[in-house]
Amino acid sequence: AQSVTQLGSHVSVSEGALVLLRCNYSSSVPPYLFWYVQYPNQGLQLLLKYTSAATLVKGINGFEAEFKKSETSFHLTKPSAHMSDAAEYFCAVSDWPGANSKLTFGKGITLSVRP
Amino acid sequence: GAGVSQSPSNKVTEKGKDVELRCDPISGHTALYWYRQSLGQGLEFLIYFQGNSAPDKSGLPSDRFSAERTGGSVSTLTIQRTQQEDSAVYLCASSQGQGPDTQYFGPGTRLTVL
Repeated sequence: AQSVTQLGSHVSVSEGALVLLRCNYSSSVPPYLFWYVQYPNQGLQLLLKYTSAATLVKGINGFEAEFKKSETSFHLTKPSAHMSDAAEYFCAVSDWPGANSKLTFGKGITLSVRP
Repeated sequence: GAGVSQSPSNKVTEKGKDVELRCDPISGHTALYWYRQSLGQGLEFLIYFQGNSAPDKSGLPSDRFSAERTGGSVSTLTIQRTQQEDSAVYLCASSQGQGPDTQYFGPGTRLTVL
């Protein structure tokens, strides 16, 4: 079964500092990976996804992630944090090309941004 | 256009009662997923629909949980004889149903079982 691991549950950065949220995956086939963001009392919004077209994936709000097969990682980064980035972030792997595209999520990381 | 909508946004019920949660997917999306988000278990897959069929029900935690989808659109998740451990946020997502395409999530229904 495919899985993702997000180490740590909380990351705190200063406004303007680099954001780095880690995600490692386990998959027996080339994975399809996603990062979602969840703001308080809202659903999940897609930040970016990796579908094997390019290893460096750019998403919304200045976020990007790099797929590294050798490290089985798909870490999320943003050069300069903004207060509005405070939210919970989930890494997920699709079951595709399994029976369907259901997502398996990591535990999530809460990002706090200090003024 | 309109996104995925869910109703009610909040539901408080007493242990042992039945509840129905509704999901309206994005128009034209053939795939529909239900997930559950709880403090202890994180985000978990419950059930997948392709059209009106549910070929993957592997995430339903017990036979108290059931779901249906009609007209290839609206879906209802029903929990019978609710228990306190059913308290969670229930999220619905839809997609075009083409490979590993993007799933669009609704705002969720927060269920509290007293």
